[in-house]
Amino acid sequence: DGGITQSPKYLFRKEGQNVTLSCEQNLNHDAMYWYRQDPGQGLRLIYYSQIVNDFQKGDIAEGYSVSREKKESFPLTVTSAQKNPTAFYLCATTGWTYGYTFGSGTRLTVV
Amino acid sequence: SQQGEEDPQALSIQEGENATMNCSYKTSINNLQWYRQNSGRGLVHLILIRSNEREKHSGRLRVTLDTSKKSSSLLITASRAADTASYFCATDAGETSGSRLTFGEGTQLTVNP
Repeated sequence: DGGITQSPKYLFRKEGQNVTLSCEQNLNHDAMYWYRQDPGQGLRLIYYSQIVNDFQKGDIAEGYSVSREKKESFPLTVTSAQKNPTAFYLCATTGWTYGYTFGSGTRLTVV
Repeated sequence: SQQGEEDPQALSIQEGENATMNCSYKTSINNLQWYRQNSGRGLVHLILIRSNEREKHSGRLRVTLDTSKKSSSLLITASRAADTASYFCATDAGETSGSRLTFGEGTQLTVNP
């Protein structure tokens, strides 16, 4: 969507398993974000990164980890420590002037 | 933490009518943004209004901002069935918040043909 790609679209996780969600952008933006959305609710910030090799915790970082080794990529790992990971995960990026550009999301389900 | 709160939570109107959604927030902001989300999809940026602006237009959209009341409204004129979606306000409090957006819980708009 508009230069930012999330994969996979659907992901299933078994109990005790770590899974990684991919987010890639070709907009040359410095800032990238991960949000979690539960049914019928707004978005809550998990992690964000304003520059390569640096990232900060958001409001609900427990049980998640990220890396930012390249400007284009900001993968999110949902660890086994996240006890309720079933949700819709959205990645976003911004060049600051015109708001955020969001990916199309990954729906994660625990099986 | 949820900075913005939208009102109403759900709104159902007939095609051709206007739809108004409201957003209230708690802290001072640099700007306020409105986004749209179709079911199961990512969010799409609609409009950004800065703290020193009072009103902004984009096509059938009109946004107002009252910083003294810490509130904003989004008006969609001459609504269409394709406008059916969830609408979210998001606030950017600037450096004090780490330059990140905080979203409200959204208004679900249904436009009946």
